[in-house]
Amino acid sequence: QQQVKQSPQSLIVQKGGISIINCAYENTAFDYFPWYQQFPGKGPALLIAIRPDVSEKKEGRFTISFNKSAKQFSLHIMDSQPGDSATYFCAASRENDYKLSFGAGTTVTVRA
Amino acid sequence: KAGVTQTPRYLIKTRGQQVTLSCSPISGHRSVSWYQQTPGQGLQFLFEYFSETQRNKGNFPGRFSGRQFSNSRSEMNVSTLELGDSALYLCASSTSGPSGETQYFGPGTRLLVL
Repeated sequence: QQQVKQSPQSLIVQKGGISIINCAYENTAFDYFPWYQQFPGKGPALLIAIRPDVSEKKEGRFTISFNKSAKQFSLHIMDSQPGDSATYFCAASRENDYKLSFGAGTTVTVRA
Repeated sequence: KAGVTQTPRYLIKTRGQQVTLSCSPISGHRSVSWYQQTPGQGLQFLFEYFSETQRNKGNFPGRFSGRQFSNSRSEMNVSTLELGDSALYLCASSTSGPSGETQYFGPGTRLLVL
């Protein structure tokens, strides 16, 4: 049973466009929500993370929006570049649980 | 600092065999987690170790086991391999654990079971 639901499964965006990936969770005990980026042949790497006391966090072209009441969070990639083509995973964890629960992943393709 | 290293990178086994995968965390990291990644199931948590103690275990059969050594290096073992065990096995390390801290992943070991 997936504790974090992620959509869409894949998306194609033109260079310079905005990519939006959405995630939803049920467990209100989750208190840490990271996004990981994975390129083929590599392990996932942390992109950006947020805690529920913040509604938005921005790092460069990447922004997380967090809606605690709706139990949803999303990743926005602004000015998408071909180098952003990768698979993106949202995840969640809670204190003293010692694991990350991952979404199913979204494959993003940025067309030049 | 050197990143997380996993050996071997690729492995081919046959059904019924057993396999041992190794993970060396980033220096100073005491938490090591293992995940199984498949196209159908995505990233599934296997187990997490901290200072040689298993703190959490995912929903995998007892054929999957692991351990951590005093130098924080970790191994996972899969016995009586099944075709469905074919996957990328990822190891991640951090200072104190996955809850609220950046996890640094290795490149993975790709296991193919024939």
